Amino acid sequence: NAGVMQNPRHLVRRRGQEARLRCSPMKGHSHVYWYRQLPEEGLKFMVYLQKENIIDESGMPKERFSAEFPKEGPSILRIQQVVRGDSAAYFCASSIQGANTEAFFGQGTRLTVV
Amino acid sequence: KQEVTQIPAALSVPEGENLVLNCSFTDSAIYNLQWFRQDPGKGLTSLLLIQSSQREQTSGRLNASLDKSSGRSTLYIAASQPGDSATYLCAVVGETSGSRLTFGEGTQLTVNP
Repeated sequence: NAGVMQNPRHLVRRRGQEARLRCSPMKGHSHVYWYRQLPEEGLKFMVYLQKENIIDESGMPKERFSAEFPKEGPSILRIQQVVRGDSAAYFCASSIQGANTEAFFGQGTRLTVV
Repeated sequence: KQEVTQIPAALSVPEGENLVLNCSFTDSAIYNLQWFRQDPGKGLTSLLLIQSSQREQTSGRLNASLDKSSGRSTLYIAASQPGDSATYLCAVVGETSGSRLTFGEGTQLTVNP
């Protein structure tokens, strides 16, 4: 049973470009979470999704960021018009249910904006 | 707003020592607490999950305790090894925060051979 798969592992974008980060949850998991780890900072929650639904996006910046988890395929975190401050490690986690179940994390995507 | 604090921020010990990492949280209304390990440049590996009704969980040389009423958890590592060197993160799921994890800043552990 493969773990949470994120790709790409490393992504370099120029300022103003778009970044698309993909996350495939563990088999059988329908709950997906995105977290961001800025340099020298802790992990911060961004968004919580179930299939085709955004459950909680209270940690998501209001502009340029969006997330989806379609019926088929991976969850996508999309950052439009990237700026240097978006450079961070973005981690995806999945769980079989919600609050009471163990969360498993992917290896992360390290985004560098130049 | 839930806040999670981990002490110490960094710890260096010789191989073979038993050690304790501390985690405290401000809102005791939690569903569970989870300890993770993060190696440099890597993802998070789940170590132990303690539900709010539990007092402790054990896995190999690791033992995690939870005192929900006082807002504290400890991670005990027995007979430490150089391979235990990593950053250890504590995170809670609060009863009023949906399913999201609130993380501490972590304890960076170095075990010297």
